Amino acid sequence: AQSVAQPEDQVNVAEGNPLTVKCTYSVSGNPYLFWYVQYPNRGLQFLLKYITGDNLVKGSYGFEAEFNKSQTSFHLKKPSALVSDSALYFCAVNRDSNYQLIWGAGTKLIIKP
Amino acid sequence: DTEVTQTPKHLVMGMTNKKSLKCEQHMGHRAMYWYKQKAKKPPELMFVYSYEKLSINESVPSRFSPECPNSSLLNLHLHALQPEDSALYLCASSQGGGGPSRTEAFFGQGTRLTVV
Repeated sequence: AQSVAQPEDQVNVAEGNPLTVKCTYSVSGNPYLFWYVQYPNRGLQFLLKYITGDNLVKGSYGFEAEFNKSQTSFHLKKPSALVSDSALYFCAVNRDSNYQLIWGAGTKLIIKP
Repeated sequence: DTEVTQTPKHLVMGMTNKKSLKCEQHMGHRAMYWYKQKAKKPPELMFVYSYEKLSINESVPSRFSPECPNSSLLNLHLHALQPEDSALYLCASSQGGGGPSRTEAFFGQGTRLTVV
């Protein structure tokens, strides 16, 4: 069965420090991986995706993610956190010919000044 | 224009009311979705329209009735809802109505629905 795990309910980081939000997945076949962010009382915004090619994917707002096939991970990273990065982050996975994203439970990211 | 517009932003309705949620996109996307999201939880897929035809219904109760009048519009008709239906209802769209698995979805800001 396909699944996505975000092992941390909450991640706390000081402003200016690097941040990592973890995601691991289990899917048969080639995975298509996505990160979305949700600010309070807002819809979800697409950050970045991995489909194929370079394992390091760069996205919006200075975020990047590294696809690691052997560890079945797709961790979200940013070199220097901003207070405005505080939000709820969701990892999701899909595979070919399938509308149905499988979502992680979400990780609340708190950046402290 | 990369926006998905949802109206209304907030809705309070009684259990005997009939109301509709509306969603509009002008990105030429051929797949449109309705999701339900409870607080601090991931979104749950309700319906998918592909090329204006309903392609997925995730066993949603009949008190929720989707409609896709044209390729830019998506409605969700609500009738006889229960208090547990209170949630954020999100509309989304993506390219490739024939299988958008590789393409990202664009979400609206949602309708915050409260059933009293």
